[in-house]
This record gives sequence, structure tokens and C-alpha cells, in this order.
Amino acid sequence: ETGVTQSPTHLIKTRGQQVTLRCSSQSGHNTVSWYQQALGQGPQFIFQYYREEENGRGNFPPRFSGLQFPNYSSELNVNALELDDSALYLCASSVGGGETDTQYFGPGTRLTVL
Amino acid sequence: GENVEQHPSTLSVQEGDSAVIKCTYSDSASNYFPWYKQELGKGPQLIIDIRSNVGEKKDQRIAVTLNKTAKHFSLHITETQPEDSAVYFCAASKGTGTASKLTFGTGTRLQVTL
Repeated sequence: ETGVTQSPTHLIKTRGQQVTLRCSSQSGHNTVSWYQQALGQGPQFIFQYYREEENGRGNFPPRFSGLQFPNYSSELNVNALELDDSALYLCASSVGGGETDTQYFGPGTRLTVL
Repeated sequence: GENVEQHPSTLSVQEGDSAVIKCTYSDSASNYFPWYKQELGKGPQLIIDIRSNVGEKKDQRIAVTLNKTAKHFSLHITETQPEDSAVYFCAASKGTGTASKLTFGTGTRLQVTL
């Protein structure tokens, strides 16, 4: 186990709704990255937070937003949900700013949009 | 941006045989190459990683090789066991800070048969 936790484990929403997913990073880690993994695909980078600031963003629309808190836990918010947002959402924590940036993943949140 | 290709998409081996998974990357600036194992319903688990200043790394039954000139890297699993059955992902990144996002391959489903 990595020590990275995510909640909830499963979530069902309808189109147009909003959702908030949560991630607690591993002890000693100050960086959280979020990924979307569609069924049968590799994870796709959404964005990264380092010391409470967004530190890079992938090819996702602005309705995907996030936060990082002083304890380095993080939230992913998705507005105006679409059917294609159905996926496993993964967060990964790491120690940013140095030579070692190994990312450790949590178990994910399975989001289903109906 | 970076593009990572992974082959094969499925691999079936008999218990005790070796398994090899290959990946190529496009961005010559990438310098960090982790491999993750993902079991059904779980998040990706880091199994081994290699940095561009090293050509080969081994950890018990698992080894990774890197050819920077050809821009490809491979995962080798020897003496496979049924518990090695899972989906394996390769990934690449440029290292630390804003460039530390992981770009994943499409995955290889490894099945180890008795």
C-alpha cells in the first residue's frame, strides 16, 4: 500500500451535475497529480499541484479544476459532467522540487455519469 | 508533446517462463521511465523505474533496460508466477517540477497460465 487514499471509491452522477473527488497524499509528500483513466486505457494527466499551486495542466477543459490544501491533500472538481467523464480518477503523490519525483498512486475513484 | 507506445497489448506466458514488454517514447528530453502494475479494481503500483543515466536496473525477478539512442525501454519479468497476472503500464516523464507529468503507454495485459 502506498499511503495515498482517495474518497469516495465509487460515485454515480447524472449529466450536468458537479462532482468533487478527494485525495490524501502520502506522509512527507507535497505534490499531488491527478489522472483520468478511461476503461482499457492508460492514465491521462489532468493537472498537478505543488505547495498549493497548480503546477502544470494536461489537455482537459476548464470545467476540471482542483485545489490543494496546506496539509497537501487535494480535491478534483468537475463541473457540467458529460458521459465521457465516466472513468477511474487517480491521484498520485510525490515529493516535488527535487531529483526524485516518483509518483505513488491511490486506489482511485470510479465515476459513472449517466 | 510526449507519446509513448507499448507492445504487445496482451501477452500470455506459462508459469516459469519470461515475459518482455516493450515501449518507445518520442521526446528525447524524457529522462525518467517508471513501470506500473495495475490489478483489477486497484490503482497502479510502481514496480520498478529507471533514469536516463542508467542503462539497466534489476530488482529480483524484474529488470528494466533503456536505450536512449533508440528511445525505447523494456520490462523483463523472469520466472513468472500466477500473481504476476495484471495490466502493466510503462510511462515517461522529463523529471521534476512542472515537467514531471507522466505520459503512459496503453498497457499490456499479462496472463500467466499454470
